[in-house]
Amino acid sequence: DADVTQTPRNRITKTGKRIMLECSQTKGHDRMYWYRQDPGLGLRLIYYSFDVKDINKGEISDGYSVSRQAQAKFSLSLESAIPNQTALYFCATSDSGADTQYFGPGTRLTVL
Amino acid sequence: AQKITQTQPGMFVQEKEAVTLDCTYDTSDQSYGLFWYKQPSSGEMIFLIYQGSYDEQNATEGRYSLNFQKARKSANLVISASQLGDSAMYFCAMRDYRSNDYKLSFGAGTTVTVRA
Repeated sequence: DADVTQTPRNRITKTGKRIMLECSQTKGHDRMYWYRQDPGLGLRLIYYSFDVKDINKGEISDGYSVSRQAQAKFSLSLESAIPNQTALYFCATSDSGADTQYFGPGTRLTVL
Repeated sequence: AQKITQTQPGMFVQEKEAVTLDCTYDTSDQSYGLFWYKQPSSGEMIFLIYQGSYDEQNATEGRYSLNFQKARKSANLVISASQLGDSAMYFCAMRDYRSNDYKLSFGAGTTVTVRA
């Protein structure tokens, strides 16, 4: 089984809809991240969390919110989706004191 | 602000040959980490190799090696003995250790196509 899982893997939604992307991990890491990837660009950080009581904004947090339900679960919500939020979304995890981030398989989101 | 530059949007390499992917970075900090990730057409991001700014030896992981030239601020990835399965997009990334967000800053990526 994959260490970092994301659901759904693909989603098509309409402008104005609320949508939630979920991430779960079995790596036992305390740090979790949400990134988005747009064509021709690398990944950009949306939100990150160092533990269940710690949530921080990344460089492009506008239009998004997150919830850290447990150490192993970190969800990303789009309160009112808009077309320019069409992207590939990645969840990542890392261990405290370690450098490497491990990514989930990604969620491809299309907002019509 | 950090910036990662990958100047090669796409490269072709013959199977079994080596290929070098360029990465330069811009930071005023002395303590940072450099990473390479592979993204095949299926979309997942796969960690390949890491180099710390204070590491004296170039990092190696199997067929991957990182040619780290600190004074030039470059961290090129070398893939030796290319295989068809190496066809993918490759991203260089950096993390500034002074930053508490552990954010990875990514380059735009290089697409590698391995020819049989």
